[in-house]
Amino acid sequence: QVQLQESGPGLVKPSQTLSLTCTVSGGSISSGTYYWSWIRQPAGKGLEWIGRIYSSGSTNYNPSLKSRVTISVDTSKNQFSLKLSSVTAADTAVYYCARIAIRYYDSSGYFDYWGQGTLVTVSS
Amino acid sequence: QSVLTQPPSVSGAPGQRVTISCTGSSSNIGSNYDVHWYQQLPGTAPKLLIYGNSNRPSGVPDRFSGSKSGTSASLAITGLQAEDEADYYCQSYDSSLSGSWVFGGGTKLTVL
Repeated sequence: QVQLQESGPGLVKPSQTLSLTCTVSGGSISSGTYYWSWIRQPAGKGLEWIGRIYSSGSTNYNPSLKSRVTISVDTSKNQFSLKLSSVTAADTAVYYCARIAIRYYDSSGYFDYWGQGTLVTVSS
Repeated sequence: QSVLTQPPSVSGAPGQRVTISCTGSSSNIGSNYDVHWYQQLPGTAPKLLIYGNSNRPSGVPDRFSGSKSGTSASLAITGLQAEDEADYYCQSYDSSLSGSWVFGGGTKLTVL
């Protein structure tokens, strides 16, 4: 059974960089049939896709966040990470990491496993 | 403003059938990208409910079903139960702007 677990600071100051790591267990992050993704959810609001990475390191980001987001992967540790720069209060949310099962015929896919989520608050 | 449009809320009595709609556009659902559905119980992470428009992962009751037509999709829940009270999200892929995974705004299901 694949499990994902987010970790990182729960409080970040405005203008600083939010950094989170997702540790994957029960399966290899190097498997060629999955992307690895970050999604966030502000309190009481809906889900927002942040970006995804493949084990090769190729990435794709939400255009609305692209200028501030970096997602990286460490296959030796079976982890992938999120960095979001220049944060403001609007970035306060529960951040989820998730696995995307790739639909090869169109490169899309769905989120089949999710972490439990971690609350990140942006405040001075 | 979500790329996919869902009603904010639906409700139904135990045993009844409810449907939740998800409307997209020509760059996502209308481009033949699959629609997937997630259930989010209070205080928990979303859980995959339907994938590939109408397929249920192992363990999901057959009371849940999905369909897609044109630029829209629907989630149907029959034999409504109290434990179905949750938020439901549709998700697809959008080919505009280098490609993105997109969600609906979510629908709160209340079991009366």
